[in-house]
Amino acid sequence: DTGVSQNPRHKITKRGQNVTFRCDPISEHNRLYWYRQTLGQGPEFLTYFQNEAQLEKSRLLSDRFSAERPKGSFSTLEIQRTEQGDSAMYLCASSSVAVKGNTIYFGEGSWLTVV
Amino acid sequence: DQQVKQNSPSLSVQEGRISILNCDYTNSMFDYFLWYKKYPAEGPTFLISISSIKDKNEDGRFTVFLNKSAKHLSLHIVPSQPGDSAVYFCAAGERGVYGGSQGNLIFGKGTKLSVKP
Repeated sequence: DTGVSQNPRHKITKRGQNVTFRCDPISEHNRLYWYRQTLGQGPEFLTYFQNEAQLEKSRLLSDRFSAERPKGSFSTLEIQRTEQGDSAMYLCASSSVAVKGNTIYFGEGSWLTVV
Repeated sequence: DQQVKQNSPSLSVQEGRISILNCDYTNSMFDYFLWYKKYPAEGPTFLISISSIKDKNEDGRFTVFLNKSAKHLSLHIVPSQPGDSAVYFCAAGERGVYGGSQGNLIFGKGTKLSVKP
């Protein structure tokens, strides 16, 4: 399967702990995005990279959140000192600006439950 | 304030009939629109998109219509099939330098479609 890959798919953590999610985009895609989705809501934009440069961050991305894409390939999203309000599905997506339309394709998501 | 609104949380349709899902937006800077389909516990799957220079785009059973003056778009599925049962999200974005969405897509809350056999 050459789609967007995310892991772990599920993570249960205690409040106050740090968690890290990894995303491997579609191989030829140079843009990578992180979104968050909670129950009953649509996905909400967090941040995106073009190659290794982080070009935009939402105000939803508090200081406890950090995303990296060190070599312009895979990306990690770390949440420090997790809170119960961080419980959500974290979605990674990728796209290629070289392809007409720059359509964004999503991975299957990583579920986070903070207890 | 919601910039993309899907006012119908759910829709039930008989197999073989047309499904029409609606979406309204408020931001006049949006000029690229997409529909995604989502099954439980999975990520959204891209269905179809339309740019503001068009008023219709068709792909197989799926057609998206855009009415810019009304800031309204709709997704038509004909004929509807039980496998189409899912949550459908409308998303909008501003055009990027390279065309297509810039990256920061704004999503509606979704409409749950149920297609009954």
